[in-house]
Amino acid sequence: DVKVTQSSRYLVKRTGEKVFLECVQDMDHENMFWYRQDPGLGLRLIYFSYDVKMKEKGDIPEGYSVSREKKERFSLILESASTNQTSMYLCAAHSPPMGLAQYFGPGTRLTVL
Amino acid sequence: TQLLEQSPQFLSIQEGENLTVYCNSSSVFSSLQWYRQEPGEGPVLLVTVVTGGEVKKLKRLTFQFGDARKDSSLHITAAQPGDTGLYLCAGDGSNYQLIWGAGTKLIIKP
Repeated sequence: DVKVTQSSRYLVKRTGEKVFLECVQDMDHENMFWYRQDPGLGLRLIYFSYDVKMKEKGDIPEGYSVSREKKERFSLILESASTNQTSMYLCAAHSPPMGLAQYFGPGTRLTVL
Repeated sequence: TQLLEQSPQFLSIQEGENLTVYCNSSSVFSSLQWYRQEPGEGPVLLVTVVTGGEVKKLKRLTFQFGDARKDSSLHITAAQPGDTGLYLCAGDGSNYQLIWGAGTKLIIKP
């Protein structure tokens, strides 16, 4: 089974802080995704990456950036955290030869005060 | 823009009852996936349906893909507390991205 881990389950930060969320997958999957999940809104794509150093904006990239220096690691960066970025953040990995299924980490519940 | 609408948004029933949740769109999808997400965890894939009219069974869960590949349903027979969770449907988009429904939150009371 694919294993996707995220650096923190819960995180509390203050407005204006720089926040790093780390995601690591162990199955050499090409594609990785960052979503945020808010009640009633489902999963909204922030950024995705289809290869090392490659990234594409998703539906809601404003206020976020990403880094993928190694294939197994995809980082989400909040340059200056704001209260409206309080949310559940989910990382997923995907390998095209395996179909469309995405494999998710357990999520990071971020609270910005 | 492709959209997926799930209904109902919330469902709370007693153990042993049957239920159906729906995932509808005006767009055609090549495939649809169903995921279940338990509190505090990420979504986990349950099934992928790819052929119009396809029916797949996973123990007490029955998934159906509409003939026109615009909708799907999930039927649970004799629901159990372990079925509690958020059920998400997702259709294939471009560049391996998925189009997500907002989910159905299901609570099964003992």
